[in-house]
Amino acid sequence: DAMVIQNPRYQVTQFGKPVTLSCSQTLNHNVMYWYQQKSSQAPKLLFHYYDKDFNNEADTPDNFQSRRPNTSFCFLDIRSPGLGDTAMYLCATSRVNTGVSNQPQHFGDGTRLSIL
Amino acid sequence: AQSVTQPDIHITVSEGASLELRCNYSYGATPYLFWYVQSPGQGLQLLLKYFSGDTLVQGIKGFEAEFKRSQSSFNLRKPSVHWSDAAEYFCAVGAATDSWGKLQFGAGTQVVVTP
Repeated sequence: DAMVIQNPRYQVTQFGKPVTLSCSQTLNHNVMYWYQQKSSQAPKLLFHYYDKDFNNEADTPDNFQSRRPNTSFCFLDIRSPGLGDTAMYLCATSRVNTGVSNQPQHFGDGTRLSIL
Repeated sequence: AQSVTQPDIHITVSEGASLELRCNYSYGATPYLFWYVQSPGQGLQLLLKYFSGDTLVQGIKGFEAEFKRSQSSFNLRKPSVHWSDAAEYFCAVGAATDSWGKLQFGAGTQVVVTP
């Protein structure tokens, strides 16, 4: 089945130690999104890629970076994680055609990140 | 500015009873509307979507939602809930004019199902 896969499902890392989360998709969607979701809150969009074009949300901390080496893969890098970065990180994909953006987003199961 | 409001943070419902979750939106453009469900520790699963046409849409797991433009609402309903329906439910809105398919999510409604 076509899907969005996130690895790892759980990640524990130390304060200040860089961490990378990965997302892969078999849907061949051109847009990939990264969300941060803290406990009992709605997902918050960090950034997204439209093909190779990177789009950062205005309030995403500089500590968060992303890479999309090809259509199928996208990575979230946290350069120096702080305690406040403990959250679920969700990857989503969508197919957006020029002038038509009505396709739903398809989500992975997320990576639960804990900063100690 | 666009916004999505889910007035109910938490709902408790008995198994077999009906369920209605409220969603109100404020959007200048033509909205695309979605309901997602999230089980503990999981990602978001699409329940249903509304783009245009019939204002009553059917989704998976026996859910339906009705778009009411005059009330700026897109409420989710299920006639008879099952214990497996216990989860967090998110309403989301997208804009037809958004080139990147971005969504605005509501704060979510936690549904608890009692025996």
